Amino acid sequence: DAKTTQPPSMDCAEGRAANLPCNHSTISGNEYVYWYRQIHSQGPQYIIHGLKNNETNEMASLIITEDRKSSTLILPHATLRDTAVYYCIVRVGAGNNRKLIWGLGTSLAVNP
Amino acid sequence: DVKVTQSSRYLVKRTGEKVFLECVQDMDHENMFWYRQDPGLGLRLIYFSYDVKMKEKGDIPEGYSVSREKKERFSLILESASTNQTSMYLCASSQEGWWGAFFGQGTRLTVV
Repeated sequence: DAKTTQPPSMDCAEGRAANLPCNHSTISGNEYVYWYRQIHSQGPQYIIHGLKNNETNEMASLIITEDRKSSTLILPHATLRDTAVYYCIVRVGAGNNRKLIWGLGTSLAVNP
Repeated sequence: DVKVTQSSRYLVKRTGEKVFLECVQDMDHENMFWYRQDPGLGLRLIYFSYDVKMKEKGDIPEGYSVSREKKERFSLILESASTNQTSMYLCASSQEGWWGAFFGQGTRLTVV
């Protein structure tokens, strides 16, 4: 199974962009990359996902390198409420054997 | 908004008890999942279901069973609770073909 590697923790100043890296060097061609975040004592929240192209939604942007071995989640203007653990996850398998492989995530602290 | 509701936020049970964790989603999603989350281990998939009365084992099914009699409800059963099943349990749902799952708030189960 493909796995992901993320830094265990990062800091960001409020109002600045937060760039969270993820390495998924063993990803194969049909595996999607998903990003979730988990605020303390809550269930994980879906942020964004992508396969090859860069993606943007109201929460964040996802930049995937051309070789697909790494990606970066960008929160353009981080707020204190963005303090959370961010998970970069790979979806593997096919049909009824599809599943998400979760790592330990990056704990992002947004500081005033 | 999609809502995934877990029946309890906190639960304390005794060793050997049969424990039922209930999860209900209100968006007519085909897929439903049960995970457990432990410090240092991340989220691990216990079971998932892609249709009524259908179930598939995840990564750590031992000691658990599931039931899905109606599309909106997915139950996790601990046949005989043990202390090593003390954990945060998270239920999630997603629509067919899209794995950006929506999570419930979690049930923190303590087995004493």
